[in-house]
Amino acid sequence: EIVLTQSPGTLSLSPGERATLSCRASQSVSSSYLAWYQQKPGQAPRLLIYGASSRATGIPDRFSGSGSGTDFTLTISRLEPEDFAVYYCQQYGSSPLYSFGQGTKLEIK
Amino acid sequence: EVQLVESGGGLVQPGGSLRLSCAASGFTFSSYWMHWVRQAPGKGLVWVSRINSDGSSTSYADSVKGRFTISRDNAKNTLYLQMNSLRAEDTAVYYCARPLAARPTPTAMDVWGKGTTVTVSS
Repeated sequence: EIVLTQSPGTLSLSPGERATLSCRASQSVSSSYLAWYQQKPGQAPRLLIYGASSRATGIPDRFSGSGSGTDFTLTISRLEPEDFAVYYCQQYGSSPLYSFGQGTKLEIK
Repeated sequence: EVQLVESGGGLVQPGGSLRLSCAASGFTFSSYWMHWVRQAPGKGLVWVSRINSDGSSTSYADSVKGRFTISRDNAKNTLYLQMNSLRAEDTAVYYCARPLAARPTPTAMDVWGKGTTVTVSS
């Protein structure tokens, strides 16, 4: 089973700043089957990025994903107030198991 | 509008059973694999189970294997999760989720329900 470790646990930034979130896998993620989700309190997760770097429908271009193998990054180029949330990475390549990282909380500084 | 609506959550005693439902609308339900994902209070997301499009293949997280059963009724556009021998650690919000694409290969989950809350407590 692939274990995903996200860092940092909490990231404190101000609107307008750049956010860089990391996701490291214990084994190589096949075919870049890596996704990123955003979750706000009391809401379901929202898909942001799939295939490591493809933006989901309706996701602003300030969100970008990169990486391959075991190291992946979600970058938010200029933080908007609505971007402060918890972010999860997920691998879906080692079917039948799908694992999530423990999450990074992005909070307003 | 593509929509998933979960129901069936509630309070149940340890060792008890519960069946969750997820009603799908706005897309061809029978073409998609489907998933259940849960989130314990204040914790992260945990994948629980998935079923293929015709219900002939299922997979489970080790933590629920042998206790939970995923199934579907394509005629009713409904996904189910039968949960038996419930434990306190099964307390969570349970989400059903649809993959991004209707194909028999792993994809990310792009449609989620709002979730239904299961509480296991005496």
